[in-house]
This record gives sequence, C-alpha cells and structure tokens, in this order.
Amino acid sequence: DSGVTQTPKHLITATGQRVTLRCSPRSGDLSVYWYQQSLDQGLQFLIQYYNGEERAKGNILERFSAQQFPDLHSELNLSSLELGDSALYFCASSVLGLAGAQFFGPGTRLTVL
Amino acid sequence: KNEVEQSPQNLTAQEGEFITINCSYSVGISALHWLQQHPGGGIVSLFMLSSGKKKHGRLIATINIQEKHSSLHITASHPRDSAVYICAVLANSGGSNYKLTFGKGTLLTVNP
Repeated sequence: DSGVTQTPKHLITATGQRVTLRCSPRSGDLSVYWYQQSLDQGLQFLIQYYNGEERAKGNILERFSAQQFPDLHSELNLSSLELGDSALYFCASSVLGLAGAQFFGPGTRLTVL
Repeated sequence: KNEVEQSPQNLTAQEGEFITINCSYSVGISALHWLQQHPGGGIVSLFMLSSGKKKHGRLIATINIQEKHSSLHITASHPRDSAVYICAVLANSGGSNYKLTFGKGTLLTVNP
C-alpha cells in the first residue's frame, strides 16, 4: 500500500459526459501528479501540482483540468469525454518535485462508451 | 523515433537468471526513473537516478549520462519479478518547465 488513495476505482460513462477523479496523497507529500495510461499511448504525464499550485504540465488536453486543494487532495476533471479517453488514470505523490521518488495510487479505470 | 526507447520489448527468463533491461534516450535529462507495473496494474517506483549506480536488494540500476543510456539489472530472478518495467526521463522543456517522458515498457516473465 503506497498510502496514495484514488476514487473511484472504476468509472463507466458515455461520450460527451464529464467526470471527476479524486486523489489523496500520502501524508506529508506536497506534490501530486496525474498520469494517463492507455493501450496505444502507454503512460503519459498529464500535470503536477505542488502545495496547491500548478508546477509542471505534460500532455494534458484542454478538455481536462486539475486542481489541488488546501488539504492537498487533488481532482482531475475530464469533460466532453471521447472514446479515446478510456484509460487508466494514475495519481502519484512525492515530497518534492519530479526528480524525486513518487508513490503511485492504484488508479482509476475510466471506460467511455 | 521516440525520445525514450526500451529494449527488449518482451523478455522471458528462467528463475535464477540474471536479467538486463535497457533504456536509451535522445535528450539531455535531469533524472531517470525506473518503474515496475505489476500484472494487476499497480505501479511502484524502483529507482530515481541522475548519475552512477543504485542498488536495492536484487535490483541494480545504472546510468551513463554521456551515452544517454540506463540499464536495470535483476539478479537471481524470481517469478514474482514478472511485471512490466518502465523507464521515464525527466528533461527540461524550456525555462523552468520540465517534461517526464515514458518508454513503452519491457514485459518480463520469469518462469519457475
């Protein structure tokens, strides 16, 4: 158990809909990262927050947004969903930044029908 | 050409064998990560390297910055080592922006 929790575990929705994925980092970790893993693209870094502020941005689509709240939990919002958004979404946390060891959550499997 | 190339894509070994997985990258990097993804999907961070060599139990990771290459070695492999091993590089993408790019992974199967 990494200490990072993600909810929900599974999510099935339809095209055009909007969903919110939630992540709670390990106690004491200030950085939260979001990743997408699909069969054709592999793992991709989406975005990093550090203590409430966006710190690094990867291949995140404009339809996607994230935030980190004062209690350090984070949410990833996915809107106008398309079939291609079906993937595993991982959250990770670390004490420091991208160069430090990260602890991954169990992931949320999103299926868009 | 991907920025991060892993080889081999698939590797099957017998229990006890010495395993090497390679990662080559094409850009200057700040750090390199090795991750392990279990069959159930969970991801564990194994190493973060910026130079030299690190060892943890039966796992050893090395990096050669000049040659833009890293290797992950597993000594005395065991069926529980069966997983996908993923290399990721952290590179500066301009100013204070950094980008983390992943390899496609190496699927390791260790047979008893």
